[in-house]
Amino acid sequence: QKEVEQNSGPLSVPEGAIASLNCTYSDRGSQSFFWYRQYSGKSPELIMSIYSNGDKEDGRFTAQLNKASQYVSLLIRDSQPSDSATYLCAVKPGRRALTFGSGTRLQVQP
Amino acid sequence: NAGVTQTPKFQVLKTGQSMTLQCAQDMNHNSMYWYRQDPGMGLRLIYYSASEGTTDKGEVPNGYNVSRLNKREFSLRLESAAPSQTSVYFCASIPSSVYTEAFFGQGTRLTVV
Repeated sequence: QKEVEQNSGPLSVPEGAIASLNCTYSDRGSQSFFWYRQYSGKSPELIMSIYSNGDKEDGRFTAQLNKASQYVSLLIRDSQPSDSATYLCAVKPGRRALTFGSGTRLQVQP
Repeated sequence: NAGVTQTPKFQVLKTGQSMTLQCAQDMNHNSMYWYRQDPGMGLRLIYYSASEGTTDKGEVPNGYNVSRLNKREFSLRLESAAPSQTSVYFCASIPSSVYTEAFFGQGTRLTVV
């Protein structure tokens, strides 16, 4: 079992819709959770971090964490074509190294 | 404020050649990481350094060596390059606290022929 699992996609949504991206992790001791966006040929850039159970909202983005189910999600409201990218889920299990999932490719159709 | 700087940006090697990828950060972070990214594989950890003077293997360390030269610099060396090492390499730095994100360099695109 991989430490961090994501559906590779592509996830295709129409412009203006809600995109829902999911991630599961295996280490129950994990404390920090991140969503990165990566455009083709570019470095990953942080869009959300979450550390406690519940929802965290930042503009059009909402991160959701459920430690009991070992599940992290990212919702993107009012999706725009510029949101088309690969979204990487990352988990930091305490003092161990930051571990990434394989990423979900999102396509927003105009 | 440069953040995390990687050199070179692009490199073509012949099988069996050696090279060192350089990474430097100016944010006074304790931890530094080397990842490789292959199509559809996300970021896979090669080696990391939790603090100056320490290094640890990650998920895919074979064929690589690292040096944490000082707090700012963390280099990755390929002693005898193989086509399987064709990839994009990212260096990242993280403050020592658990609750902070990684800052990435711009990446090095390496092709081994």
